[in-house]
Amino acid sequence: QSALTQPPSASGSPGQSVTISCTGTSSDVGAYNYVSWYQQHPGKAPKLMIYEVTKRPSGVPDRFSGSKSGNTASLTVSGLQAEDEADYYCSSFGGRNNLIFGGGTKLTVL
Amino acid sequence: EVQLLESGGGLVQPGGSLRLSCAASGFTFSSYGLSWTRQAPGKGLEWVSLIYGDTGGTYYADSVRGRFTISRDTSKNMLYLHMNSLRADDTAVYYCARFGSGYSLDQWGQGTLVTVSS
Repeated sequence: QSALTQPPSASGSPGQSVTISCTGTSSDVGAYNYVSWYQQHPGKAPKLMIYEVTKRPSGVPDRFSGSKSGNTASLTVSGLQAEDEADYYCSSFGGRNNLIFGGGTKLTVL
Repeated sequence: EVQLLESGGGLVQPGGSLRLSCAASGFTFSSYGLSWTRQAPGKGLEWVSLIYGDTGGTYYADSVRGRFTISRDTSKNMLYLHMNSLRADDTAVYYCARFGSGYSLDQWGQGTLVTVSS
């Protein structure tokens, strides 16, 4: 199975909202509500931000939200803050006891 | 507090072998699935392997199947990744992570760097 497709970059000014897409197929993203989003700052381990498409782990600000339509999932960051500048990765259960990651999106806060 | 601490990375020649370890603490080890994910320098995340908590069943990415083996020692709360026939494109930071709900990886270690080079 191929990697999920994410835009390589996204940007927004402080206080604005930005949405990052994650496109898979009817065998992965479209088939299961098992999409997760991770934030990774340079030199650090990834951090879980969204799981099961829309759910936020404890401690993740409600500025982060997730959604899905068909084979495409999305992460929206509202009220952008400087500390949101990072790489973001989506992942999906692939249906064959495997995980598939997206290529990653570099979010820049202008 | 959940902690995952990887070790065992280093420089290895092409065709060589290496064993990575991940020491887990702060949770009931045998109740959770665990995974290895890697990240080549300057690249994105790539899932490598998983082991289910309840059954101990193991699964691999196509790129490592037949060369890598995931295992665990529940008496020591340790996760391992045995890597054989290493290639240059296996060079990466290797992270162990715990499965949460919905095949999410809710806790990650800090990673260990594996460099395959002559």
